[in-house]
Amino acid sequence: GAVVSQHPSWVICKSGTSVKIECRSLDFQATTMFWYRQFPKQSLMLMATSNEGSKATYEQGVEKDKFLINHASLTLSTLTVTSAHPEDSSFYICSASRGDRSYEQYFGPGTRLTVT
Amino acid sequence: AQSVTQLGSHVSVSEGALVLLRCNYSSSVPPYLFWYVQYPNQGLQLLLKYTTGATLVKGINGFEAEFKKSETSFHLTKPSAHMSDAAEYFCAVSEESSASKIIFGSGTRLSIRP
Repeated sequence: GAVVSQHPSWVICKSGTSVKIECRSLDFQATTMFWYRQFPKQSLMLMATSNEGSKATYEQGVEKDKFLINHASLTLSTLTVTSAHPEDSSFYICSASRGDRSYEQYFGPGTRLTVT
Repeated sequence: AQSVTQLGSHVSVSEGALVLLRCNYSSSVPPYLFWYVQYPNQGLQLLLKYTTGATLVKGINGFEAEFKKSETSFHLTKPSAHMSDAAEYFCAVSEESSASKIIFGSGTRLSIRP
């Protein structure tokens, strides 16, 4: 149990376009979902925390108008990178939490975004 | 504020040798501690976690870690390394008050020599 999927697994887009990444909890309800960004050979940087039905909480330095996060249901969160630029190229990973006291996050397989 | 420090960005051991990956944390309240493993171009997989109770925690793939409050450490060990253990390992800390927010260390790349 506790499987999280991401779609697409990789995407290439042109500079100036927008791209949407989906994160789904397949076999549990996720009260909280998290979006991370990972640069090559670096750690995960938390971008934002989203709770179902409410606005996402962004970490300092993350542009909320550029990285739009929607958590419309207990099993789906989306990250939209708007007006993408080459510097947005990265590995984006989502995770989901049941909201129980285990405080465990279940991670998706990641999405490789390349902006040309 | 919570933080995690992983000593050694790269550790190399021989197959069959002891694996020791170091992790120290900083937290103003009793922490929840995690070790995750990441294989290339994949997400993270939980190896083990400490929340409360027994300070020696056993995880998957033969790994274990010991929570030492006096040393603010949570080092990861495995008695005998296997080639398949080669990966990136992340130590992480969370606090109950932060609603599941996890802070990751910088990661340690483990290489296994034949």
